[in-house]
Amino acid sequence: NAGVTQTPKFQVLKTGQSMTLQCAQDMNHNSMYWYRQDPGMGLRLIYYSASEGTTDKGEVPNGYNVSRLNKREFSLRLESAAPSQTSVYFCASSGSLGDASRYNEQFFGPGTRLTVL
Amino acid sequence: DAKTTQPPSMDCAEGRAANLPCNHSTISGNEYVYWYRQIHSQGPQYIIHGLKNNETNEMASLIITEDRKSSTLILPHATLRDTAVYYCIVRVGFEGGKLIFGQGTELSVKP
Repeated sequence: NAGVTQTPKFQVLKTGQSMTLQCAQDMNHNSMYWYRQDPGMGLRLIYYSASEGTTDKGEVPNGYNVSRLNKREFSLRLESAAPSQTSVYFCASSGSLGDASRYNEQFFGPGTRLTVL
Repeated sequence: DAKTTQPPSMDCAEGRAANLPCNHSTISGNEYVYWYRQIHSQGPQYIIHGLKNNETNEMASLIITEDRKSSTLILPHATLRDTAVYYCIVRVGFEGGKLIFGQGTELSVKP
């Protein structure tokens, strides 16, 4: 199993450009998440999807949109990139495996390092 | 979700046990304690979680006090590869739960 995969690994954008970050998981998890991590800071939740067909805002949703394409894939879109969105973006997934407490056992991808000039 | 408090940094000698404390004095009865770590520039990694009883797995042990107001993550024989930021998170267990990562404890394992 590949676990959680993210593409691309690195990206440089100019202010105002748009792009989509892709995330896929092969663990049959119901829930998926997008976080951002700024230098020296903890992770902050952008959006999450509790199950296929649903999405909800996290702590810092402004400037982003998401799509839960199917159970495996959860994409994050920046419509008009700004320098304040320079960050490392992590995707994660989780599933209960029959135990509600395990929904907080999140599996993370390797991250996408985004720079907006 | 209950707030957690962790020391910002700790040192540990290689081969010794690393004991990382976490205070969560406002924890409620249905909230679990979760520990994650993040090795430099990688995605966070789940370590262990518990509700009331002490827990042990291949990575670590989790000791939760009887009143559940604090806990300690124990890495029994720390190695240089255990150098990371360790996050203590308190959360109910349900689908779509949002994890709130605080500042964590930066553990440095020294030779």
